Amino acid sequence: GAGVSQTPSNKVTEKGKYVELRCDPISGHTALYWYRQSLGQGPEFLIYFQGTGAADDSGLPNDRFFAVRPEGSVSTLKIQRTERGDSAVYLCASSQTSRAETQYFGPGTRLLVL
Amino acid sequence: DAKTTQPTSMDCAEGRAANLPCNHSTISGNEYVYWYRQIHSQGPQYIIHGLKNNETNEMASLIITEDRKSSTLILPHATLRDTAVYYCIVSRGAQKLVFGQGTRLTINP
Repeated sequence: GAGVSQTPSNKVTEKGKYVELRCDPISGHTALYWYRQSLGQGPEFLIYFQGTGAADDSGLPNDRFFAVRPEGSVSTLKIQRTERGDSAVYLCASSQTSRAETQYFGPGTRLLVL
Repeated sequence: DAKTTQPTSMDCAEGRAANLPCNHSTISGNEYVYWYRQIHSQGPQYIIHGLKNNETNEMASLIITEDRKSSTLILPHATLRDTAVYYCIVSRGAQKLVFGQGTRLTINP
């Protein structure tokens, strides 16, 4: 079956601009996660949704970052007033439930802020 | 979640068993050991997890010491496609994975 998909695969923007990154989880998965991975580092947790609600947003670095999942499937990560330090690969993962052992990751969106 | 310690890099010959160690001396009784790997330019991929018993699946085996302070991931017959960064993660559940730097495993022909 289809895995987790993320669009766009690559995004180049200018400092100060607004960007939206989209994640389509595996159908039927109720839990959705966002991570950010800088070059040479392991992925870093940002936020986790159970259904439509954000169950844990402790990893969001500041109020420029916001994520939604209005219908409990597709999620959008929104970054306002982008900064060069936001350049990274943004990974999305989903799992069947919040207690499931396995998270399935998408290929990521590579964001470059010039 | 407990912190893990892994070697930065390892090499293994193709066809041989690759044994990747992980130390997690502060693990709690209700925390699992998870292993994920990340092949270049892809998202992480789940490999295996365990609580205290040894586990085996089609990808790998996981050996956890009796005191649970360390574990070893075993890839029984490594292939070139197993070249990746391997992450050992300790967590109460899959709600939030805390990744360290991982071990960069290179399989040599």
